[in-house]
Amino acid sequence: AQTVTQSQPEMSVQEAETVTLSCTYDTSESDYYLFWYKQPPSRQMILVIRQEAYKQQNATENRFSVNFQKAAKSFSLKISDSQLGDAAMYFCAYSEGGNAGNMLTFGGGTRLMVKP
Amino acid sequence: GAVVSQHPSWVICKSGTSVKIECRSLDFQATTMFWYRQFPKQSLMLMATSNEGSKATYEQGVEKDKFLINHASLTLSTLTVTSAHPEDSSFYICSSYPGTGRSDTQYFGPGTRLTVL
Repeated sequence: AQTVTQSQPEMSVQEAETVTLSCTYDTSESDYYLFWYKQPPSRQMILVIRQEAYKQQNATENRFSVNFQKAAKSFSLKISDSQLGDAAMYFCAYSEGGNAGNMLTFGGGTRLMVKP
Repeated sequence: GAVVSQHPSWVICKSGTSVKIECRSLDFQATTMFWYRQFPKQSLMLMATSNEGSKATYEQGVEKDKFLINHASLTLSTLTVTSAHPEDSSFYICSSYPGTGRSDTQYFGPGTRLTVL
């Protein structure tokens, strides 16, 4: 079974600084998707960024970017110019297959605190 | 963007009663819907995968007779917690997948908080 591990239960960053959240996963598949989701206090899951395993180029979405190391099975999230609104739980997730319509396996989450 | 709703958002019930939670995709048809459970300060755990017109596929350890899932249409899936007990108290979240033709992304509902007294 696939597993997703987030080794940092909590992280803290100063407003306007950069922070990196770590994620590792275990799979024997070659086709899969990786995601970072944000869960604010409202508990609504919000997709932050996604990466298709077949793509070598790291995904970016405005202030959010990933470092996808396929051989190392590592998928870290970098948040630049951190804002107060970035404070939330962040979950790394894995989905097997060639599309995003398969079950998601989530990591344990990282709580990000942003200091003003 | 695509919107998924859940109803109710919060429900309190007595032990032994049954509770139905609805998950609706409001502006798209979902080929697949997923049900997750999230205990306090924990991650999301998949309970079952639901496809319209067919029986749900349950994850290991999830009692299919206790958590009844009905995917009645391409826009509606329901989760019924039968004979609920305090240990069933949790946050239940659904997600809907419209297929590869539309952004190839799962869309999450806002969740339902269930408290069993």
